[in-house]
Amino acid sequence: QQQVKQSPQSLIVQKGGISIINCAYENTAFDYFPWYQQFPGKGPALLIAIRPDVSEKKEGRFTISFNKSAKQFSLHIMDSQPGDSATYFCAANPGTYKYIFGTGTRLKVLA
Amino acid sequence: GAGVSQSPRYKVAKRGQDVALRCDPISGHVSLFWYQQALGQGPEFLTYFQNEAQLDKSGLPSDRFFAERPEGSVSTLKIQRTQQEDSAVYLCASSLDTEAFFGQGTRLTVV
Repeated sequence: QQQVKQSPQSLIVQKGGISIINCAYENTAFDYFPWYQQFPGKGPALLIAIRPDVSEKKEGRFTISFNKSAKQFSLHIMDSQPGDSATYFCAANPGTYKYIFGTGTRLKVLA
Repeated sequence: GAGVSQSPRYKVAKRGQDVALRCDPISGHVSLFWYQQALGQGPEFLTYFQNEAQLDKSGLPSDRFFAERPEGSVSTLKIQRTQQEDSAVYLCASSLDTEAFFGQGTRLTVV
């Protein structure tokens, strides 16, 4: 119940394409859903986050879509660039301090 | 400094050796977290501090793991009698509210 399931494990996208990463959760107590971007040898960096009272949030080329009834949320990267090649983690927070992370998606954007 | 700083960046320890990993959080951040990230996996929660109080240590894998934050700023994660399964990246994060900022991590390799 505390898990966050993330898919796909890896993703290859052409430059300019749309990258889509999906996450699903079961614990309805989760109320904050961030996405983190991690480059090799670096710590995770917050990319964008959403709360369940909205269905979509957009920041530049990054959009989170949130489906509360399905308990799913996804990250869309529009106009994907080679510099976006990294590992992406979804996470959930049950209104406390503890983040539950997904298993990660390794994105490669081909030039 | 501007971000969360961790040291050392890399640590190689012989099995059975004790290690100490340091975290300098962002100045003024009340909350401090330690996470463990195994290769190819998402970060997993280890422990949480609010100022100097360790409010949650439920994620510490065994009693060989010990964390402290005596003055409410710098924190140290200590691992006694290291085992090969302790090999991982240890991430520290700090926050003022919901958003957590991660350091680059310490990669621990136990040989």
